[in-house]
Amino acid sequence: EPEVTQTPSHQVTQMGQEVILRCVPISNHLYFYWYRQILGQKVEFLVSFYNNEISEKSEIFDDQFSVERPDGSNFTLKIRSTKLEDSAMYFCASEQGAEYEQYFGPGTRLTVT
Amino acid sequence: KQEVTQIPAALSVPEGENLVLNCSFTDSAIYNLQWFRQDPGKGLTSLLLIQSSQREQTSGRLNASLDKSSGRSTLYIAASQPGDSATYLCAVRKKDNDMRFGAGTRLTVKP
Repeated sequence: EPEVTQTPSHQVTQMGQEVILRCVPISNHLYFYWYRQILGQKVEFLVSFYNNEISEKSEIFDDQFSVERPDGSNFTLKIRSTKLEDSAMYFCASEQGAEYEQYFGPGTRLTVT
Repeated sequence: KQEVTQIPAALSVPEGENLVLNCSFTDSAIYNLQWFRQDPGKGLTSLLLIQSSQREQTSGRLNASLDKSSGRSTLYIAASQPGDSATYLCAVRKKDNDMRFGAGTRLTVKP
């Protein structure tokens, strides 16, 4: 069964460094998402992406964040200058359309020291 | 602003018991509602998706209902098994993509 994959599974970085989290969505899906989950807290929406542009973003998704679909398969989340509070699990998700289920990847655990 | 609440926060039951998990949301103008399962340190596995026009969905031992007007959904698990132990999340969706999650119900099924 097709699945969303994410790399790396765990990333440790120092405060102020740039990180890129990578996702490969399911191949025939058109909508892509990033969410985060701080330890012990709710899953929070960050950004949605469709037709090569951001369709919606939350107040968390500030100028430090960017997303890109550099080729036909990868979908990336970049954090330009990481802060301690960026430490969280980051999930990528994809779907065929808004009326369909969202499928989530296994997540990347980001630890900022 | 949409708020999603799940009750109870934690639930422990003996194997074989039928159980109900509750989800409530403050804004009834939703597009759909999705139930997920999350194992510790893992991603989210989709269980059931209910469109706003539907009243319920079933998959195996799982049945999810939706009462949009009262802002409620329930997930019914029949004949629970230890393998059902996980955190169950509900998420509601507005038409403009934004999905809001509840904090989850942590379920433990004891053998």
